[in-house]
Amino acid sequence: EPEVTQTPSHQVTQMGQEVILRCVPISNHLYFYWYRQILGQKVEFLVSFYNNEISEKSEIFDDQFSVERPDGSNFTLKIRSTKLEDSAMYFCASSANRAREQYFGPGTRLTVT
Amino acid sequence: KQEVTQIPAALSVPEGENLVLNCSFTDSAIYNLQWFRQDPGKGLTSLLLIQSSQREQTSGRLNASLDKSSGRSTLYIAASQPGDSATYLCAVLNDYKLSFGAGTTVTVRA
Repeated sequence: EPEVTQTPSHQVTQMGQEVILRCVPISNHLYFYWYRQILGQKVEFLVSFYNNEISEKSEIFDDQFSVERPDGSNFTLKIRSTKLEDSAMYFCASSANRAREQYFGPGTRLTVT
Repeated sequence: KQEVTQIPAALSVPEGENLVLNCSFTDSAIYNLQWFRQDPGKGLTSLLLIQSSQREQTSGRLNASLDKSSGRSTLYIAASQPGDSATYLCAVLNDYKLSFGAGTTVTVRA
C-alpha cells in the first residue's frame, strides 16, 4: 500500500541553525501539507501546497518557514533559523484532492537545543 | 476559526466493552471529518473518513457518525481489545486544512 515517508526520523539541531525536513508524498497525490505537534499539544496545521504554490498557511508559518517541491517526488519544509519553540514532531501529509482523505507520514521529531 | 473539542479526554474500560468517543466542531462548513489513531511518540493512522454528505461510515469494529448541522461526530469501537489502547484524534477539513481535537486517550484493560 502506498505511504508517505519522511526523513530523518529524528533531527537534533542548535538554536539558530537551518534545518530541512524531507517528505515523499504518495505518488499520484496532488495536495501536500505540513503539520506539527508540540509535545502534549494538539496537531496544528502549518501549510498546504498545490500546483507548486502555497494554498493556505497558518499564522505559525512565518518568514522563517518555507516549503518546496524540488522535484517530482520530494516535498520539503525548511526552517531558516530554528528557535527552541520549534521543537516538535513535524508531520507531512498528502491527498488526491482537497476533499479527500489526508495520509500522514510517520513524522520527524525536531529537537532544538 | 474552527474549534474541535473531544470528550472525554481519557477513558479506561475493561476488555470487551464498547467504546464511545465524542467530537464536536464549531464551523459546520466542512468538507469531511477524519478519525485518526496515534500511538505514543508515533504518527497518525487514518481510521475512517466521513464526507460532509454522509451520516455514517463503518470499517470492521469501527463505526463513525456525523451530524454536520449540529457539529458532532461519534466514533464507536465495538468489543474493545487491549490493542485498541491509543489516543484517538478527530479532525475536520475546511479550506485545505485539517483542524484537530486534543484527542481521547483510551486504555483497554485485559
